[in-house]
Amino acid sequence: GAGVSQSPSNKVTEKGKDVELRCDPISGHTALYWYRQSLGQGLEFLIYFQGNSAPDKSGLPSDRFSAERTGGSVSTLTIQRTQQEDSAVYLCASSSSGTSYEQYFGPGTRLTVT
Amino acid sequence: GDSVTQTEGPVTLPERAALTLNCTYQSSYSTFLFWYVQYLNKEPELLLKSSENQETDSRGFQASPIKSDSSFHLEKPSVQLSDSAVYYCAPGTDSWGKLQFGAGTQVVVTP
Repeated sequence: GAGVSQSPSNKVTEKGKDVELRCDPISGHTALYWYRQSLGQGLEFLIYFQGNSAPDKSGLPSDRFSAERTGGSVSTLTIQRTQQEDSAVYLCASSSSGTSYEQYFGPGTRLTVT
Repeated sequence: GDSVTQTEGPVTLPERAALTLNCTYQSSYSTFLFWYVQYLNKEPELLLKSSENQETDSRGFQASPIKSDSSFHLEKPSVQLSDSAVYYCAPGTDSWGKLQFGAGTQVVVTP
């Protein structure tokens, strides 16, 4: 079946502009996660959605970052007033709740802020 | 301190050598434990998953969780060039499936 998809695959934007990154999770997966990976670094947790529960936003680095998940499926990560330090690969993952927990990652969106 | 501690990299070893990557984690974490592998310019992918004291095996890799000391070390008896990658240990932190990824260990296999 289809895996996690993300769009765009690459995004170049000017400092100060807003960007939206999209994630389509695996069909039926109730949990969705966003991570950030700066060049040569590990995975930095940003936010996760689990079913109808309030999202865990504990990893968002500033109030310029926000995310929503509509209809329990597609999610959009929005970065307002982008800064150069926001340049990174943004990865989305999904998992099915219950007994599995394994997360499956999308290919990521490479964001470059000039 | 860090809630997940992994072997500091890079770990460089020749083909056919044995590999062990250590991982220890905060004891309050759930019993679900994962190793992910990330190849160059690719997204992380699941390597293996374990729970309780169940040893698991995948693609020649093995991991045996030891609950008594909160460890989940990854082993492979004979590495190949294609095993060059970054390896992440990721225990579950809650009953909903949130994982805590370690910093990752880069493994470089040389001819």
